[in-house]
Amino acid sequence: AQTVTQSQPEMSVQEAETVTLSCTYDTSESDYYLFWYKQPPSRQMILVIRQEAYKQQNATENRFSVNFQKAAKSFSLKISDSQLGDAAMYFCAYRRIQGGSEKLVFGKGTKLTVNP
Amino acid sequence: GAGVSQSPRYKVAKRGQDVALRCDPISGHVSLFWYQQALGQGPEFLTYFQNEAQLDKSGLPSDRFFAERPEGSVSTLKIQRTQQEDSAVYLCASSSHRAAEQYFGPGTRLTVT
Repeated sequence: AQTVTQSQPEMSVQEAETVTLSCTYDTSESDYYLFWYKQPPSRQMILVIRQEAYKQQNATENRFSVNFQKAAKSFSLKISDSQLGDAAMYFCAYRRIQGGSEKLVFGKGTKLTVNP
Repeated sequence: GAGVSQSPRYKVAKRGQDVALRCDPISGHVSLFWYQQALGQGPEFLTYFQNEAQLDKSGLPSDRFFAERPEGSVSTLKIQRTQQEDSAVYLCASSSHRAAEQYFGPGTRLTVT
């Protein structure tokens, strides 16, 4: 079974600094997608960044980048130049496609606080 | 265009009552998902529709939970005889086709007293 583990329940960062959120996952599949979602206090889940497992190059979206280590099954999110609006819950997720179904499997989340 | 919408945003039910939660996906989106998010936890998959067909309901916690999408657009998640452990935020997501990005709605917070 696929599982996603986020070992940091809470993290804090100073405005303009860099922070890294950790995620590990377990799967026996060779091709898959990984995601980081942001959930602000308003609760609408927003996609931050995605990574396809067969791509060697780490994904980047503006201030957000990932460190994808396939062999170690690690998928961390780096936020550079942190802004107050980055404060939210961050969820790592694995997309499982099997037979006629698909689903996202989420970790428990990391609460990020940005200090001014 | 408009995103995924859900109604009501908040619902308080007495234990034993039936509730119905509505999801309006993005127009034209084929795939629709329901997730349950308990307080302080990540979302957990409940069920998946492709058009009007419910292809996976393996995440529904009990036979008190029922979901439908009769015309392949709007979906309703129904919970019969609600219990306290059903208290959670219920998230709906849609995607344009299989394996595409999922867009989430704001969720319905259900509190069972």
